[in-house]
Amino acid sequence: QKEVEQNSGPLSVPEGAIASLNCTYSDRGSQSFFWYRQYSGKSPELIMFIYSNGDKEDGRFTAQLNKASQYVSLLIRDSQPSDSATYLCALWSGAGSYQLTFGKGTKLSVIP
Amino acid sequence: IAGITQAPTSQILAAGRRMTLRCTQDMRHNAMYWYRQDLGLGLRLIHYSNTAGTTGKGEVPDGYSVSRANTDDFPLTLASAVPSQTSVYFCASSPSPGTGELFFGEGSRLTVL
Repeated sequence: QKEVEQNSGPLSVPEGAIASLNCTYSDRGSQSFFWYRQYSGKSPELIMFIYSNGDKEDGRFTAQLNKASQYVSLLIRDSQPSDSATYLCALWSGAGSYQLTFGKGTKLSVIP
Repeated sequence: IAGITQAPTSQILAAGRRMTLRCTQDMRHNAMYWYRQDLGLGLRLIHYSNTAGTTGKGEVPDGYSVSRANTDDFPLTLASAVPSQTSVYFCASSPSPGTGELFFGEGSRLTVL
């Protein structure tokens, strides 16, 4: 059973601060990792994906992957109130797997 | 505007009734998925389809069926609804199967009484 663990939060950060969202997983065979953002009452939308160990930056967002420690994180720099949402970590195990496994999400609140 | 359209947006249904949730995409994506999202349980895959004419079972398939007669449509049917099927249902698609880059519809909120 593949498991993806996230702290449910809520995680509260002041506007302009760095928000750090963490995710751990149990399946060492996992190959690809994704971060989805879901605003309240809306559908998830993909914001980042990472396949290799290390950091991947996209604007204010940085995804970090450490396969040896089985964790993936998302950093949001200069957090804005519009970043307030639930962030879902997801993983894909690779060839032969057609199921994207989601964590339960971390709710982020950016306080003005 | 290209994307995924789900219908109905919201529905209240009596237990034992049959219900079909519709999903249509116009992005010509090969793979399509149905997820349900429940508080405290997150998103769980019900059924998927890698390409037209094929379907597969996800994590929670019992009580649901799907069909994929063409590329664009992927309806989800509840043959005899039960209260535990009260949930928000999301249809999603991806350009190819086996990737995590999903595009989601706006969801269908279903309440079974």
